[in-house]
Amino acid sequence: NAGVTQTPKFQVLKTGQSMTLQCAQDMNHNSMYWYRQDPGMGLRLIYYSASEGTTDKGEVPNGYNVSRLNKREFSLRLESAAPSQTSVYFCASSEFGQLSSYEQYFGPGTRLTVT
Amino acid sequence: GDSVTQMEGPVTLSEEAFLTINCTYTATGYPSLFWYVQYPGEGLQLLLKATKADDKGSNKGFEATYRKETTSFHLEKGSVQVSDSAVYFCALSDRSNTGKLIFGQGTTLQVKP
Repeated sequence: NAGVTQTPKFQVLKTGQSMTLQCAQDMNHNSMYWYRQDPGMGLRLIYYSASEGTTDKGEVPNGYNVSRLNKREFSLRLESAAPSQTSVYFCASSEFGQLSSYEQYFGPGTRLTVT
Repeated sequence: GDSVTQMEGPVTLSEEAFLTINCTYTATGYPSLFWYVQYPGEGLQLLLKATKADDKGSNKGFEATYRKETTSFHLEKGSVQVSDSAVYFCALSDRSNTGKLIFGQGTTLQVKP
């Protein structure tokens, strides 16, 4: 049981390049989330997918797109990377409902640098 | 809207000292409350949680009590170790149909031998 996995672990991009961050979970959770973490800013929600087939914007969606490929996988795409997107990106998943406490489980992160 | 406020860090303690990291929240309804820990170079791990007023979450010697009257969820540990050095995040869930969490800014704890 690997939990939440993310690839790649590290990436360096040049301004204007594109890339896709991959996330997968094996806990059969309905909901998945993408966050970015910047010094002094805590975690900020980029996009989320409350259930398979749905995606919604979070707090900082500009410059990003997402795809909920199936129940397990949720990818984040940067179409034209900018230096302001240099950050650590975390994927998380959760299963919530009446009997749940709503905790999320996090992947190990992708450290992205845009030059 | 809902929000979480944590004490600013860094917090520097000697080994075996008592730890308190303050967390207060603003929320409508009855949120669930969490503490997450992030060790250097890693993702966030759930440390403890509480789902209703007066619940006490505990794990690995850490404790936090859900205080609705003061809207607080302070993290405590009686005797910290060097291995507790990490960033600690307080978070809440409004238990909506999105499952979103709202995080505090994080507090860095450094424990010196």
